[in-house]
Amino acid sequence: AQSVTQPDIHITVSEGASLELRCNYSYGATPYLFWYVQSPGQGLQLLLKYFSGDTLVQGIKGFEAEFKRSQSSFNLRKPSVHWSDAAEYFCAVGRGSGTYKYIFGTGTRLKVLA
Amino acid sequence: DVKVTQSSRYLVKRTGEKVFLECVQDMDHENMFWYRQDPGLGLRLIYFSYDVKMKEKGDIPEGYSVSREKKERFSLILESASTNQTSMYLCASGARAGYGYTFGSGTRLTVV
Repeated sequence: AQSVTQPDIHITVSEGASLELRCNYSYGATPYLFWYVQSPGQGLQLLLKYFSGDTLVQGIKGFEAEFKRSQSSFNLRKPSVHWSDAAEYFCAVGRGSGTYKYIFGTGTRLKVLA
Repeated sequence: DVKVTQSSRYLVKRTGEKVFLECVQDMDHENMFWYRQDPGLGLRLIYFSYDVKMKEKGDIPEGYSVSREKKERFSLILESASTNQTSMYLCASGARAGYGYTFGSGTRLTVV
């Protein structure tokens, strides 16, 4: 069965430091992959997506992610974190024949220290 | 520029009540979804709809039903609310596969 794992429940970084959030998936074919961000009390906002082509994907708010087929990973990165990046981040994978049905990871909560 | 609107941000209901959560999208998307979000469990799919009057069960449909009479509106119904349905409910819509979803701001439902 398809699955998505975000191994880090909480991550704390200092403002200005670099960030990497991990996402691993289990899927038989090349999946559709997404990263979403959720600010407190809000819905989810799409940061970036991958379904083919260049394996390094640029998103909004200065984020990027790299698809590595050999590692079944789609890690999210940002070179310099801002205090406003504090939020919860979700990785998602498109699954099955109806790939508009996604599986979401359990999320990584990011705390940014001033 | 709000695209997916959920009618209530916060809702408090009593056990046994029938509860309606409404969601409207203005992007002409075929697909609409209802998720619930609980700490440590991520997002779990309750129901989705791929066309007007069409629906399909997600991973946790028990205790819920849905209605989609118009393309832009997707309603989640709790037939008899229970305390274990206290949660954040998120509506989303999407067009073709691979394009991602647009989410509403969520409804935090408390059943007392």
